[in-house]
Amino acid sequence: GAGVSQSPSNKVTEKGKDVELRCDPISGHTALYWYRQRLGQGLEFLIYFQGNSAPDKSGLPSDRFSAERTGESVSTLTIQRTQQEDSAVYLCASSRQVLGLAGGYNEQFFGPGTRLTVL
Amino acid sequence: AQSVTQPDIHITVSEGASLELRCNYSYGATPYLFWYVQSPGQGLQLLLKYFSGDTLVQGIKGFEAEFKRSQSSFNLRKPSVHWSDAAEYFCAVPAGNQGGKLIFGQGTELSVKP
Repeated sequence: GAGVSQSPSNKVTEKGKDVELRCDPISGHTALYWYRQRLGQGLEFLIYFQGNSAPDKSGLPSDRFSAERTGESVSTLTIQRTQQEDSAVYLCASSRQVLGLAGGYNEQFFGPGTRLTVL
Repeated sequence: AQSVTQPDIHITVSEGASLELRCNYSYGATPYLFWYVQSPGQGLQLLLKYFSGDTLVQGIKGFEAEFKRSQSSFNLRKPSVHWSDAAEYFCAVPAGNQGGKLIFGQGTELSVKP
């Protein structure tokens, strides 16, 4: 079946502009995550949605970052008034409910990412 | 707080040689542990995971990893590296009682010499 898809694959914007990144999770996955990967760095958690629960926004770096998810489908990550330090690859992942029936964490499936460059 | 350390930023091995990538973790209880691989221009793919039981875990693409509680390590190994294994490898642990979000190490970039 189809994997996680993200659009656009690349985005170049000018400092101060707003950008919107889109993630289409795997159908039926109730959990959705956004991570950021700066050049030469590991992934940083940004935000997490699980079903109808309130999202975990603890990783958002500033109030310029926000994300929405409609039900268990598409999510958008919005960055307002972009800064150069926002340049990174933004990765989306989805999974079935976090904890599997036999315990343990269900695998997170990652999309290919959106490479954001802020000039 | 949970953390993951990958001490090697970059490793180069010859094709056919064995490989070991190091991962050390800090975790309050028995951890869940993951290794992901990221090929150029690709998203992350899960190689293997440890939840409990046998401490030697087999994964895809001929990789294995061994959980050693006494050393707080979960090193990734492969007996014979192929050129297609050149990629970035990430070790990860869940962030604890905070949902399913993962904490990733800084990554180890693997280059393979012909």
